[in-house]
Order: sequence, then C-alpha cells, then structure tokens
Amino acid sequence: EAGVAQSPRYKIIEKRQSVAFWCNPISGHATLYWYQQILGQGPKLLIQFQNNGVVDDSQLPKDRFSAERLKGVDSTLKIQPAKLEDSAVYLCASSHGTTYTGELFFGEGSRLTVL
Amino acid sequence: GEDVEQSLFLSVREGDSSVINCTYTDSSSTYLYWYKQEPGAGLQLLTYIFSNMDMKQDQRLTVLLNKKDKHLSLRIADTQTGDSAIYFCAESPMNRDDKIIFGKGTRLHILP
Repeated sequence: EAGVAQSPRYKIIEKRQSVAFWCNPISGHATLYWYQQILGQGPKLLIQFQNNGVVDDSQLPKDRFSAERLKGVDSTLKIQPAKLEDSAVYLCASSHGTTYTGELFFGEGSRLTVL
Repeated sequence: GEDVEQSLFLSVREGDSSVINCTYTDSSSTYLYWYKQEPGAGLQLLTYIFSNMDMKQDQRLTVLLNKKDKHLSLRIADTQTGDSAIYFCAESPMNRDDKIIFGKGTRLHILP
C-alpha cells in the first residue's frame, strides 16, 4: 500500500512570496489533515477535510493560508504572502475516517524556510 | 481546554527501560496516543489506549493511564539504539475522536 505522498520536500522562499504544497493521501482515506510543525514543537492542526468538505479550520490563518481538496482526493495548501514565522514542516496525514482507531498516516512533510 | 504537556528530553542507556511521561488537560478525552517521529520522517502511531483502560502492553511497550491525575506514560523495555526518536503524546477531545492534539514531543537519546 502506497503511503501519503507530499511535495516538494524542501522549499526556500523570501518573505512575501507565495508557496504551495501538494498532498496525495492513501487511497480510500476519506479524512485528510494538514499540520504545521515548527522546530521543537508538536504538530498543530491547520485544517481537516472529510472527503472534499472542511471539518475544522479553526487554527488556519485565513488571511494568508488557504487549502482545498478538490474531488475529495489530493489536496493543496497555499501560503500567500509568506512570513518568517511560517518557517516549519508542513505535514499531511490521512485516515479512514470511519471505524476510527486513532491512526493517522503521515507523509514525510514539506520543509519550508522563509528568508 | 485542550493541552498536552511532556518533558522535552530523555537520555537512557542502551538496554535500560525508558519512561516518557505526559499530562493532558481534557478529562473527557476518549483516546490517548503515543506517536514516534524519526529524523526526517512523518509521525507514526506506536500505540493508543482507550480512556476506560488503565494499562496496555504491546511487546516492549507498556502504556499506563491515570485518569484521576490525567497522566499518561510510555515505558519502553530494553531500549535499543533504534528507539532513538521523538515521542509525541496526543489526545482526542470528547466528541471529536477524529481530531488529534499533540504535545511538543520528548526526544529520546540512547547512550551507549
């Protein structure tokens, strides 16, 4: 079974530029999550999708961050314009979303450096 | 509120037992989890415990839950160099067992 795929693995941009991250979840997983992991901290949930609908985006800075999950499969997370404090690893995760056992399957993450 | 606290570092000699502790604030959490993150990788579920249990054992891993004190611990017996990683305690809030809140993680360092 293929895992959660993310790209790019690394991205360096200057502040005020824009960036987009892509995630392909495990086939058949209805729920998709984007987490932000700042160095030395635990992952913080940015947004959660159930199929192509948003379940929770309460911690997404909506003035600069946006995410979509068209057709309920792949997802993109965009930051525009980026700030220095957005430097972090952006983790995508997916789960079955039905008989829930607490297992989220994570991708390797996309590391963003904002200069 | 929802918050998970854990110590940031732990050093253990190879072959000894490691005990990683965590406290959480949401007494109504239905599930509590331990995730492992190796360098450059995403998080991986190690084990979880349902809130009506007080202990769960899985090979070298033992999870203890004290609901009264809102304290969760992970014991790794016979710690090996491959256990070197960051361990995250996490909880699911009441009525949101599809949402997981993570602590800051405990970095486990194995001494030779």
